[in-house]
Amino acid sequence: AQSVTQLGSHVSVSEGALVLLRCNYSSSVPPYLFWYVQYPNQGLQLLLKYTSAATLVKGINGFEAEFKKSETSFHLTKPSAHMSDAAEYFCAVSALDTGRRALTFGSGTRLQVQP
Amino acid sequence: KAGVTQTPRYLIKTRGQQVTLSCSPISGHRSVSWYQQTPGQGLQFLFEYFSETQRNKGNFPGRFSGRQFSNSRSEMNVSTLELGDSALYLCASSLAGRGEYNEQFFGPGTRLTVL
Repeated sequence: AQSVTQLGSHVSVSEGALVLLRCNYSSSVPPYLFWYVQYPNQGLQLLLKYTSAATLVKGINGFEAEFKKSETSFHLTKPSAHMSDAAEYFCAVSALDTGRRALTFGSGTRLQVQP
Repeated sequence: KAGVTQTPRYLIKTRGQQVTLSCSPISGHRSVSWYQQTPGQGLQFLFEYFSETQRNKGNFPGRFSGRQFSNSRSEMNVSTLELGDSALYLCASSLAGRGEYNEQFFGPGTRLTVL
């Protein structure tokens, strides 16, 4: 079975500061990894995905993540936080035994951006 | 192209009742997945339908069921509602054919409150 762990349920940064949201995964097979964002009262929007191509993945809104197999990590970063980045972020892995179609999510990290 | 739509957006039911939620996928998408989101358990996979057949199933009791119609629209049903079924139910659609990964697009969700 595959799983993801997100370190830190709440992260607070100042506007313009670096955003770093941590995700570690557990998988016995090469994983497909994802970061989603959820704004209040909305569904999930895909920020970026890793599907065994380039290990540095660039996504929307200036976010990127690096797949590090040796550290089993897939941390999400953004060089400069914007107020509009305040939301909840979820790391997810797709389960191989479902043909990689069912997502297993981490518990989420709520990002606050202070002015 | 219209996104994934879910109806109703909000629903209030009482314990013991049953409820049906509806999801219309993006045009051309044949796979529909359902997820439950609660503060305590987070985001959990319920099931996935493809070509009117349940292809994958999460670890939920038999009170949770679903179906998919020939136009790919999907419904999920929860019978004998319990307080713990109060959640945001998210639907996601993708092109996903057999043996391939495709991005899942999420709808805004249906917020179910059980009193």
